[in-house]
Amino acid sequence: GENVEQHPSTLSVQEGDSAVIKCTYSDSASNYFPWYKQELGKGPQLIIDIRSNVGEKKDQRIAVTLNKTAKHFSLHITETQPEDSAVYFCAASIGTSYDKVIFGPGTSLSVIP
Amino acid sequence: DAGVIQSPRHEVTEMGQEVTLRCKPISGHNSLFWYRQTMMRGLELLIYFNNNVPIDDSGMPEDRFSAKMPNASFSTLKIQPSEPRDSAVYFCASSSRDGLGGGYTFGSGTRLTVV
Repeated sequence: GENVEQHPSTLSVQEGDSAVIKCTYSDSASNYFPWYKQELGKGPQLIIDIRSNVGEKKDQRIAVTLNKTAKHFSLHITETQPEDSAVYFCAASIGTSYDKVIFGPGTSLSVIP
Repeated sequence: DAGVIQSPRHEVTEMGQEVTLRCKPISGHNSLFWYRQTMMRGLELLIYFNNNVPIDDSGMPEDRFSAKMPNASFSTLKIQPSEPRDSAVYFCASSSRDGLGGGYTFGSGTRLTVV
């Protein structure tokens, strides 16, 4: 079945450094790739998404890159701040549906002041 | 908008009891999802509705779980009878199925503990 892998499972960086989280997916028909941030005690929150017709998307300190040939995509956070500490989930659509996605297992990011 | 509203925030119940979780999606969103989150299995999709109609319930663990969406502004997830292994955080999410992405908006979740 469809699968999304995510690495690393935990990541610790110094404030101001960059953080990179990588994901791979198995469904070659997937065309929508959202990223979610989950803070303690809260539900996941969409922070950025990308569709398969573009290779990169940026929003301030956050960027996502997509390599459809290799079936992997990455989240890049620059100039990290303590408030970036959270669990980050990547996801990939099941086929071409924007409705249904499968989530990766998550990356716990800690930004050390 | 107040976002996706779930109730209760916490529920502790005894094994064998019926549990009902409630969700109010964002007004205008026409897709609604129920997820379960555990350390072992991560985020699992249980069921999702589009325009109040169940589209895919393949993630519902077993017959003890049922979900309804009687109208566009309300959904329930029921577990009867509950078991300790059902202990998890249950999230409701909604989205606008407009083909433009935009992702899900999740509620704050219901933490269920079955003792």
